[in-house]
Amino acid sequence: QKEVEQNSGPLSVPEGAIASLNCTYSDRGSQSFFWYRQYSGKSPELIMSIYSNGDKEDGRFTAQLNKASQYVSLLIRDSQPSDSATYLCAVVDNYGQNFVFGPGTRLSVLP
Amino acid sequence: EAGVAQSPRYKIIEKRQSVAFWCNPISGHATLYWYQQILGQGPKLLIQFQNNGVVDDSQLPKDRFSAERLKGVDSTLKIQPAKLEDSAVYLCASSLPGWGILGSPLHFGNGTRLTVT
Repeated sequence: QKEVEQNSGPLSVPEGAIASLNCTYSDRGSQSFFWYRQYSGKSPELIMSIYSNGDKEDGRFTAQLNKASQYVSLLIRDSQPSDSATYLCAVVDNYGQNFVFGPGTRLSVLP
Repeated sequence: EAGVAQSPRYKIIEKRQSVAFWCNPISGHATLYWYQQILGQGPKLLIQFQNNGVVDDSQLPKDRFSAERLKGVDSTLKIQPAKLEDSAVYLCASSLPGWGILGSPLHFGNGTRLTVT
């Protein structure tokens, strides 16, 4: 059974700080990784995708991937109260089709 | 671009009753997924279609759940009979084909919140 693990949180950070969200996965053959944000009562929305080792930046968001360690993270710089949500890590198998989601990390940004 | 459409948004039924959910994916998206999300958990895949063929239904409780995707577009998910533990949000998602071994992002509908009493 392929597994994706995340700290459930809640992770609380003050406004303006950097929030660091972590995800580990069991399938060493995985090639595609996604971060989704889910507000309470809403459906998940895509934040970023990452396919190669290293960092990928998009605005205040940076995704980091280390396939050797089977680890992917999301950094949110200058955190805002509007970033308060659950962040889901999704890992896709090496056939590019089977999406497995982690349990999500609940982030709370305090004003 | 219109998003993934789902209906109904909410449904309340009694246990042992049946219920059906409908999904219309983004135009041109060949892959369609149904996920079950229980409160406080991540989405769990129920079934995945590629066009109108089933790719993965290994986690679908086939004694009570069924799904179809006629003509490779719309899809319906049915539960009969429902149990209390089926209370969850049912999410439909669609995606373009991936690129070889790389996956294409999922786009989710608004979901159907099912309460079984």
